[in-house]
Amino acid sequence: DAMVIQNPRYQVTQFGKPVTLSCSQTLNHNVMYWYQQKSSQAPKLLFHYYDKDFNNEADTPDNFQSRRPNTSFCFLDIRSPGLGDAAMYLCATSRDPSGGYNEQFFGPGTRLTVL
Amino acid sequence: GQNIDQPTEMTATEGAIVQINCTYQTSGFNGLFWYQQHAGEAPTFLSYNVLDGLEEKGRFSSFLSRSKGYSYLLLKELQMKDSASYLCAVLDSNYQLIWGAGTKLIIKP
Repeated sequence: DAMVIQNPRYQVTQFGKPVTLSCSQTLNHNVMYWYQQKSSQAPKLLFHYYDKDFNNEADTPDNFQSRRPNTSFCFLDIRSPGLGDAAMYLCATSRDPSGGYNEQFFGPGTRLTVL
Repeated sequence: GQNIDQPTEMTATEGAIVQINCTYQTSGFNGLFWYQQHAGEAPTFLSYNVLDGLEEKGRFSSFLSRSKGYSYLLLKELQMKDSASYLCAVLDSNYQLIWGAGTKLIIKP
């Protein structure tokens, strides 16, 4: 089945220790998104890639970086995690929103714990 | 600014009907989504409305009024597995999803 895969599902890191979350998709979608979601809050868009074009949200901290080496993979790097970065990180894809393909497909998420 | 409002929490009885409302103010409109999210899991797509009116899909229906900036999600014949958060999200003029904080629906036997 075509899908969005996130690894790991659960990640524990120490305060200040860099961590990388990964996302892969078999949907061949143009757009990949990274969201941060804290308990009982809306998902917060961190950035997205439209093909290779990177789009950073204005309020995304510099501590968060992303890489998309090819169509299938996208990585979220947190350079120096703080306690406030503990959250669920959701990867999503969409085919081409401006072309009428608007639905976003979500991976299962990675729950990050910062000790 | 952009804003999506929906109730924080609702309670309903198994077998009953519940309506979850969503109002929005966004810069542009390219459609409204409803997603279901069980605790600790990713959101899953329920419905998409871009034209006014009611879209029915099994036990779930979604309504949109663009002139009023209003949508609702109607769930019929509630089952215990419907206990989840329901997120309203609007695609704005930049094709970015603007999310509501979600409505936690509690189903009681």
